[in-house]
Amino acid sequence: DAAVTQKPRYLIKMKGQEAEMKCIPEKGHTAVFWYQQKQSKELKFLIYFQNQQPLDQIDMVKERFSAVCPSSSLCSLGIRTCEAEDSALYLCSSSPTGGRDTGQLYFGEGSKLTVL
Amino acid sequence: QQKVQQSPESLIVPEGAMTSLNCTFSDSASQYFAWYRQHSGKAPKALMSIFSNGEKEEGRFTIHLNKASLHFSLHIRDSQPSDSALYLCAVSIGTNAYKVIFGKGTHLHVLP
Repeated sequence: DAAVTQKPRYLIKMKGQEAEMKCIPEKGHTAVFWYQQKQSKELKFLIYFQNQQPLDQIDMVKERFSAVCPSSSLCSLGIRTCEAEDSALYLCSSSPTGGRDTGQLYFGEGSKLTVL
Repeated sequence: QQKVQQSPESLIVPEGAMTSLNCTFSDSASQYFAWYRQHSGKAPKALMSIFSNGEKEEGRFTIHLNKASLHFSLHIRDSQPSDSALYLCAVSIGTNAYKVIFGKGTHLHVLP
């Protein structure tokens, strides 16, 4: 099985604070996806990188988040000002096929953010 | 905006039953389709994927795709308590760059 590493596993922030989560994609994978999952329900698409370049992202990410992949071995997702609604599990996945084969997304265990 | 809808939201079946999960998508240009399974507290993991119309079987799992009706499904034969999990369907959208979006999931409970 591919191994995608996410850190930290848990983080607690006060409303208004900044948060940062990191992801180490599987070696050789060219695509990285970030998803938000609340209460073990749907995976909400946040942003998609191909060869470290952001190709698609939702408005919420453009407005309040910062996401970069400075190298092929490290990506980060940040929240500039945390709000209560940001409490969720943030899942990073990488793919060797750039999403072409939908069944080739490998997920990390996630970073669980709690905003108080 | 592309949408992916799953049904039912939750399902309870007895051990040994056949389970059927459904997924519909809105974009007829979608090309790649998959099912993921997420056990409680764990990362989602791919079960099966398909890109051409028809059926594909792997062990107890069968995936069926009908692009014309914008529908694909997952069938689990001889359901086991260990199959209890959240099942997520995934659709890949795009031409040169593929964005993958997921449905809201079906919670499956298999009773022993």
